[in-house]
Amino acid sequence: AQSVTQPDIHITVSEGASLELRCNYSYGATPYLFWYVQSPGQGLQLLLKYFSGDTLVQGIKGFEAEFKRSQSSFNLRKPSVHWSDAAEYFCAVGEGGSQGNLIFGKGTKLSVKP
Amino acid sequence: EAQVTQNPRYLITVTGKKLTVTCSQNMNHEYMSWYRQDPGLGLRQIYYSMNVEVTDKGDVPEGYKVSRKEKRNFPLILESPSPNQTSLYFCASRARTSLVNEQFFGPGTRLTVL
Repeated sequence: AQSVTQPDIHITVSEGASLELRCNYSYGATPYLFWYVQSPGQGLQLLLKYFSGDTLVQGIKGFEAEFKRSQSSFNLRKPSVHWSDAAEYFCAVGEGGSQGNLIFGKGTKLSVKP
Repeated sequence: EAQVTQNPRYLITVTGKKLTVTCSQNMNHEYMSWYRQDPGLGLRQIYYSMNVEVTDKGDVPEGYKVSRKEKRNFPLILESPSPNQTSLYFCASRARTSLVNEQFFGPGTRLTVL
């Protein structure tokens, strides 16, 4: 069965520092991969997605993610974190091919210190 | 404005008292879904619907019912709520069933069952 692992429950970074959030997936075929962000008290917003093609994908708010098939990873990065990036981040994989459902990781909470 | 709306946003109820959480989308989306979010568990899918009158169980359907009589609405029904259904609930929708299309989330409904 498909699954998503986010190894880090909580990460704290200083404002202006770089960020990498880890995501590993288990999926037999080419996965559909997503990163969502949830700000406090809000719903989920799509940051970026990967289906095929270029393995480095750009998203909103200055985020990017790289798909590495050999490592079954889809890590999210940002070169310089802003205080407004403090939120919870969820990685998700599409289940059952292009018509299926999303399987979410358990999330990584990001805190940003001044 | 394209959006997914949920009502109520907050609800406190007692064990056994039937309740319905409504979900409506104005984007003419075929696919709709319900998730629950619990600390440390991420988002887990309760039910989903590929189109009108087509619904199916997700990963945690026990204790819930849904219906899809109209394309825009996908209510979540708790016939006899129990304290273990205290959670944050999200409705989501996307165009057709393909994961290529972005999945939009509602703002969430925080339910407490006493």
